[in-house]
Amino acid sequence: GAVVSQHPSRVICKSGTSVKIECRSLDFQATTMFWYRQFPKQSLMLMATSNEGSKATYEQGVEKDKFLINHASLTLSTLTVTSAHPEDSSFYICSALDRDQPQHFGDGTRLSIL
Amino acid sequence: DAKTTQPTSMDCAEGRAANLPCNHSTISGNEYVYWYRQIHSQGPQYIIHGLKNNETNEMASLIITEDRKSSTLILPHATLRDTAVYYCILTSGTYKYIFGTGTRLKVLA
Repeated sequence: GAVVSQHPSRVICKSGTSVKIECRSLDFQATTMFWYRQFPKQSLMLMATSNEGSKATYEQGVEKDKFLINHASLTLSTLTVTSAHPEDSSFYICSALDRDQPQHFGDGTRLSIL
Repeated sequence: DAKTTQPTSMDCAEGRAANLPCNHSTISGNEYVYWYRQIHSQGPQYIIHGLKNNETNEMASLIITEDRKSSTLILPHATLRDTAVYYCILTSGTYKYIFGTGTRLKVLA
């Protein structure tokens, strides 16, 4: 079946640094990818929709200058958390859409900011 | 806000059928019902989806009421590996998923 790979799976870094997370669709072309974040014991919250070759669409309350999204190809979207602080620590998950198929999710990136 | 309502948690004995309900009383005519599950510290896994007819695949069955205001996911023979949080999601042409709180299913040995 369709596979979405997310990298890294876990990252720990100091406050103030920027962190890039990659999301790749391995066996299909994804015109649309989605980014979610999930805090402990909570549900997934949609952050933004990423379309190949165009600017991402952010959900209300999500800072676009804080969470930079780039979807440069049909198989790769990246999320950069800029100047990360402890409150940005969370589980970040991407998903990819293959035409009319269900979204396929990556296994997430656990980000810890010290 | 999510347009679905699910019980917070459920228990099911191993080998028995697990029936997970979902209310979606404000569903629109072009919205599909999707079910995913999330095992701890992993991304959500697709289970099944439907529009108005009942659906069955190798993982589960989906029963949608005639008025489409509610549905039930059925895991016919639950195993310990089915312990997860199960999400019922409505989506249409925008393909955006808005996750609700889900149901935490615990399968008991």
